[in-house]
Amino acid sequence: AQKVTQAQTEISVVEKEDVTLDCVYETRDTTYYLFWYKQPPSGELVFLIRRNSFDEQNEISGRYSWNFQKSTSSFNFTITASQVVDSAVYFCALTPLEVIQGAQKLVFGQGTRLTINP
Amino acid sequence: DGGITQSPKYLFRKEGQNVTLSCEQNLNHDAMYWYRQDPGQGLRLIYYSQIVNDFQKGDIAEGYSVSREKKESFPLTVTSAQKNPTAFYLCASRRGLGLEAFFGQGTRLTVV
Repeated sequence: AQKVTQAQTEISVVEKEDVTLDCVYETRDTTYYLFWYKQPPSGELVFLIRRNSFDEQNEISGRYSWNFQKSTSSFNFTITASQVVDSAVYFCALTPLEVIQGAQKLVFGQGTRLTINP
Repeated sequence: DGGITQSPKYLFRKEGQNVTLSCEQNLNHDAMYWYRQDPGQGLRLIYYSQIVNDFQKGDIAEGYSVSREKKESFPLTVTSAQKNPTAFYLCASRRGLGLEAFFGQGTRLTVV
C-alpha cells in the first residue's frame, strides 16, 4: 500500500520568512509520480507541481522550490520570502505505477496548514 | 470554460437518508475520483474510475456508492450505512495515468 505523510499539521510564520513543508512517502513501486497541491479557503485544490520518480532534479518556480530525494523518500516544498497570499493548506500526493483495471490511485497526505502573518 | 462542477455546494441530510452528490466534468478526462476531507485527516479516497461502467473502491468505500454511466459524470451516493457522513467531499478528474488531477470546488455535507 502507498502512504504519504506530512508530519507538520500547522505552520505559522511572519511574512517574508522562508518556510519548508515536509513530505515523506512510502511505495513499493520503482516508478511513481509525486504532486503538490494548494487548497485556499475556497476549498478547491490547485495543482502546483508533478514530479516523476526518475527525475531527481530540484525545481524552482518563482518563490517556490521543490527538493526531491529518492534516498530518503522525501519531496519537500519551500516557499521563499513568504507572502500573506501563500496562506493555505498544502497537500503532497502520490500516484503509484500500479494500475487496477486501467485506473491509478492518487493518495494524499494529511495536509499542512500554512499561515503567513503580516 | 472547461472544468469540474460539483453540486450542490452545501447539502443537509437527515439521519437515515441517502443523498447523492453530483460531479460533472467537460475536460474529456478518463479518470475520476471522489475524496472525503475531514479536519486533520487530509483527503481520503472513496472511489475512483477509469472508464465508463467501471470503478474501484478506495480506502474508505463503506457506506458510499458510485456510478459511471457517462464519461462526464461520476455521482456519489452517501447511504444511510455511512455512520459519520458530515464532511467536505471533493471530486477530481485527470486525463491520463500519472498526470495531475483537477478538482471541483467541493460539496459540504452536514447531517442534521
